[in-house]
Amino acid sequence: DTGVSQDPRHKITKRGQNVTFRCDPISEHNRLYWYRQTLGQGPEFLTYFQNEAQLEKSRLLSDRFSAERPKGSFSTLEIQRTEQGDSAMYLCASSKHGRLARDNEQFFGPGTRLTVL
Amino acid sequence: AQSVTQPDIHITVSEGASLELRCNYSYGATPYLFWYVQSPGQGLQLLLKYFSGDTLVQGIKGFEAEFKRSQSSFNLRKPSVHWSDAAEYFCAVGKPTYNNNDMRFGAGTRLTVKP
Repeated sequence: DTGVSQDPRHKITKRGQNVTFRCDPISEHNRLYWYRQTLGQGPEFLTYFQNEAQLEKSRLLSDRFSAERPKGSFSTLEIQRTEQGDSAMYLCASSKHGRLARDNEQFFGPGTRLTVL
Repeated sequence: AQSVTQPDIHITVSEGASLELRCNYSYGATPYLFWYVQSPGQGLQLLLKYFSGDTLVQGIKGFEAEFKRSQSSFNLRKPSVHWSDAAEYFCAVGKPTYNNNDMRFGAGTRLTVKP
């Protein structure tokens, strides 16, 4: 078990460009979460999937952001027309979804650090 | 909605000294509480969690935390800090619901360990 992986680890882009990040969850986990973490802050929830269904989106997820999990395994997060305010660490986490919420620990990946110039 | 406050942005302790990181939460019922640690350039690692029962929770790496309902606090402690404990620490609160998908994190406390 290699844990949650994210690719790329770092991305530098120019304002207005599109970027896409990938997250590979722990294989037996059917829930996948995306968070954004800006400098000096804790992670903020963006969205989550159960299998391939996107069940919740935060108001932080503007129309320029889209997330997919087409086969219920890996997920992608795309940001269109990037803005300097999008510069942040984007964290992915995965968990099981058992009967008891207390058993559904979220395991985090190393994150993708995005810098928009 | 639940929320978390970590009053200390940055704490410096000497190696071998004891440590206490403060966390206060706001939630109408008994929440699920978590402490995570994040090393530079890394994701978050769960140190410990509280759901119910014994209010003193033991975690990994020698950390413990105590849930105090009357003070709405969940402070993290370690009796003797090691240089490798230098990192960012986040307290989080979750709703005790079936979904458990709504975790709110504090802004974090950065720990520096002096030799």
